[in-house]
Amino acid sequence: GAGVSQTPSNKVTEKGKYVELRCDPISGHTALYWYRQSLGQGPEFLIYFQGTGAADDSGLPNDRFFAVRPEGSVSTLKIQRTERGDSAVYLCASSLNPPGVRGGSEQYFGPGTRLTVT
Amino acid sequence: AQKITQTQPGMFVQEKEAVTLDCTYDTSDPSYGLFWYKQPSSGEMIFLIYQGSYDQQNATEGRYSLNFQKARKSANLVISASQLGDSAMYFCAMRERDTGRRALTFGSGTRLQVQP
Repeated sequence: GAGVSQTPSNKVTEKGKYVELRCDPISGHTALYWYRQSLGQGPEFLIYFQGTGAADDSGLPNDRFFAVRPEGSVSTLKIQRTERGDSAVYLCASSLNPPGVRGGSEQYFGPGTRLTVT
Repeated sequence: AQKITQTQPGMFVQEKEAVTLDCTYDTSDPSYGLFWYKQPSSGEMIFLIYQGSYDQQNATEGRYSLNFQKARKSANLVISASQLGDSAMYFCAMRERDTGRRALTFGSGTRLQVQP
């Protein structure tokens, strides 16, 4: 079946510009997560959605970052006034069940969007 | 303090041999889950194996097994009969129940290279 998809796969933008990154989770998965992975590091949590609502946005680094999931499926991560330090791979993951439920809570990741801010 | 520590930045193993990738974790939460993911050069994170803190037996999934030593707070991944396709980055991750954080906390990873 189809896995998690993310578009674009690569995005190059100039400092100060606005960008949107899209995530299409596995059909039927209720939980959706965004992570950011810098070179040589493990992914770092940004935000978690359960359904349409952001259940945990404690990982967003500042108010330039925002994410939505209006219909409980596709999610968009939005970054305003991009800075060079925002350059990273942005990973999206989804899981069938909310975390804490033993079965079906493992997260499945998309291929990521590589964001480069020049 | 680091929540997840992977002390081996890189590992080499001969094809068909077994290899152990180390992971130690730090938590005061009595209920937690430990995960291993594989990240090939394509970039996608692939779920390998899960171990719950209350599980009595070590988890196994095909050639992957998790050597869970709760008292030592370690959750090492063992890959048996290594294959060339196992060459990738491997990440250990944890999710704690009582912190309210629903996402995974990852270690810095170990790069495994399988040599023919």
